[in-house]
Amino acid sequence: GAVVSQHPSWVICKSGTSVKIECRSLDFQATTMFWYRQFPKQSLMLMATSNEGSKATYEQGVEKDKFLINHASLTLSTLTVTSAHPEDSSFYICSASPGLATYEQYFGPGTRLTVT
Amino acid sequence: EDQVTQSPEALRLQEGESSSLNCSYTVSGLRGLFWYRQDPGKGPEFLFTLYSAGEEKEKERLKATLTKKESFLHITAPKPEDSATYLCAVQGMGDYKLSFGAGTTVTVRA
Repeated sequence: GAVVSQHPSWVICKSGTSVKIECRSLDFQATTMFWYRQFPKQSLMLMATSNEGSKATYEQGVEKDKFLINHASLTLSTLTVTSAHPEDSSFYICSASPGLATYEQYFGPGTRLTVT
Repeated sequence: EDQVTQSPEALRLQEGESSSLNCSYTVSGLRGLFWYRQDPGKGPEFLFTLYSAGEEKEKERLKATLTKKESFLHITAPKPEDSATYLCAVQGMGDYKLSFGAGTTVTVRA
């Protein structure tokens, strides 16, 4: 149980284009989903928190116009990297939490984004 | 601000050589302390949640313990497949965000 998927697992795009990453909770409903970024040899850095049907809350220093987050249903959240640049290349990981009854976050397998 | 410090950064073990990983934390009101395992190029895999000092949880060769200031992850008689980065994270009472430590990379040699 508590399986989270991400699609795509890796993507290469050209500078200036936009890329959408999907995060789905497969066997539970996720009241809250989180988006993280991880650079090589570093730990996870939270980018934003999203609740179904409401606007995402972004961490300090994260550009909300560059990283668009949509949490349209209790099983799906999307992260769109707009006008991507090489410095946006990273490992993006989402997590999902079942809700108020349990506080665990279950993570997806991650998406490797490379911007050329 | 919540802070999590993990030590050591790296740990090289011989198969069967038991050891412990440390996670020291400061948080204004602990909701939970979480341990995850992360393999290279993968997302973190949930291992344990600990909620109060004195609590212990076990899973196969792993045992996690919690005090008011730190948590330990004990690896008993490790096998090569236990090689991974182990991440510790805390969640405060204020919200549901996780604050992660930098991780301990464990390498177990056969």
